[in-house]
Amino acid sequence: ELKVEQNPLFLSMQEGKNYTIYCNYSTTSDRLYWYRQDPGKSLESLFVLLSNGAVKQEGRLMASLDTKARLSTLHITAAVHDLSATYFCAASGTYKYIFGTGTRLKVLA
Amino acid sequence: NAGVTQTPKFQVLKTGQSMTLQCAQDMNHNSMYWYRQDPGMGLRLIYYSASEGTTDKGEVPNGYNVSRLNKREFSLRLESAAPSQTSVYFCAGMLDSRPYEQYFGPGTRLTVT
Repeated sequence: ELKVEQNPLFLSMQEGKNYTIYCNYSTTSDRLYWYRQDPGKSLESLFVLLSNGAVKQEGRLMASLDTKARLSTLHITAAVHDLSATYFCAASGTYKYIFGTGTRLKVLA
Repeated sequence: NAGVTQTPKFQVLKTGQSMTLQCAQDMNHNSMYWYRQDPGMGLRLIYYSASEGTTDKGEVPNGYNVSRLNKREFSLRLESAAPSQTSVYFCAGMLDSRPYEQYFGPGTRLTVT
């Protein structure tokens, strides 16, 4: 059974600092997704990672995938207040997505 | 949320009442999904439909039924609402080819008193 664990669950960081969110999954999955959710809003797709070693970057966010370690990371560089949100990773089987519990990020000015 | 719509946006029910949450997509997705999101938790899959005419249970199907009316529409029904079903419900459609990305609707916030 596919399970997904994220850590940390909460992250409070100063503007300008770097940090990494980790996403571990329990069984083989060749697709890993990252989403952002603002309070009271729906989920917005950030990254789709489809192969081992995949790395994608958008602005201050960079996501990577290591399928052998069953680990994906979301790295935040020089955080700004606008990045405050909840970030979810999800691993996928044939049809089902399994989501992590999310990382609530708060960037302090 | 372009392409996936949900109605209603908000709903308050009394215990034992029934209701249907509607979801429609105009992105020609074959696969559609219903999730619930509870405070401090990720999304949990209730039911999904891999194609028109088929439905399958997800992680938390008890207390719910679904109908894939046609390719565009996928509804979620609560036959006898319970306070434990207070949640935010999201519908999603999924691309049928790589990268198999899911697109989410805006959500329905349901409160059962």
